Amino acid sequence: DVKVTQSSRYLVKRTGEKVFLECVQDMDHENMFWYRQDPGLGLRLIYFSYDVKMKEKGDIPEGYSVSREKKERFSLILESASTNQTSMYLCASSSGGQPQHFGDGTRLSIL
Amino acid sequence: KQEVTQIPAALSVPEGENLVLNCSFTDSAIYNLQWFRQDPGKGLTSLLLIQSSQREQTSGRLNASLDKSSGRSTLYIAASQPGDSATYLCAVSDSMDSSYKLIFGSGTRLLVRP
Repeated sequence: DVKVTQSSRYLVKRTGEKVFLECVQDMDHENMFWYRQDPGLGLRLIYFSYDVKMKEKGDIPEGYSVSREKKERFSLILESASTNQTSMYLCASSSGGQPQHFGDGTRLSIL
Repeated sequence: KQEVTQIPAALSVPEGENLVLNCSFTDSAIYNLQWFRQDPGKGLTSLLLIQSSQREQTSGRLNASLDKSSGRSTLYIAASQPGDSATYLCAVSDSMDSSYKLIFGSGTRLLVRP
């Protein structure tokens, strides 16, 4: 079974902090994705990566950056956290056009 | 720009009923369509994936159909159970996009009453 692990289920940070969300997959998938999910707005793609050190912007990249130094790990970075980044963050991975597999999510609160 | 719509937004049925969830998309040039299930506070679980060349996929009590030309997909759940209560999301990937990123609908929240 594919396992996508997000480092934290719940996280509380303060405005202006630099925040790191980590995601690890164990299936050697080349594609990895970061989404945020908000009530009424659904899932929106922040960034994705199709190979090590490769990254592309999704629909809402502003205020975020990513890092993929190893194939299995994809990190989402909030450079200077703001209250409007309070959300549920979901990581996913896939191989080619096969199903995306999701982690359990990180519920992030910015105070 | 591709848009995905799911109707209804919420559905409540008694246990044992057969039910249909609907998904529509505006651009028929899709690579595939996926149905997911999401339990409260959790991530998404992939249920079925239909390639653009396929008409349907089945897994247990679930059957998903795809009509690409009309931009529609349905998820049929037979003999519903309380454990089926969850939010169901559909998502498409565009055929011209080699990244396989998904565009999601907003979901249908299903409650199956015992």
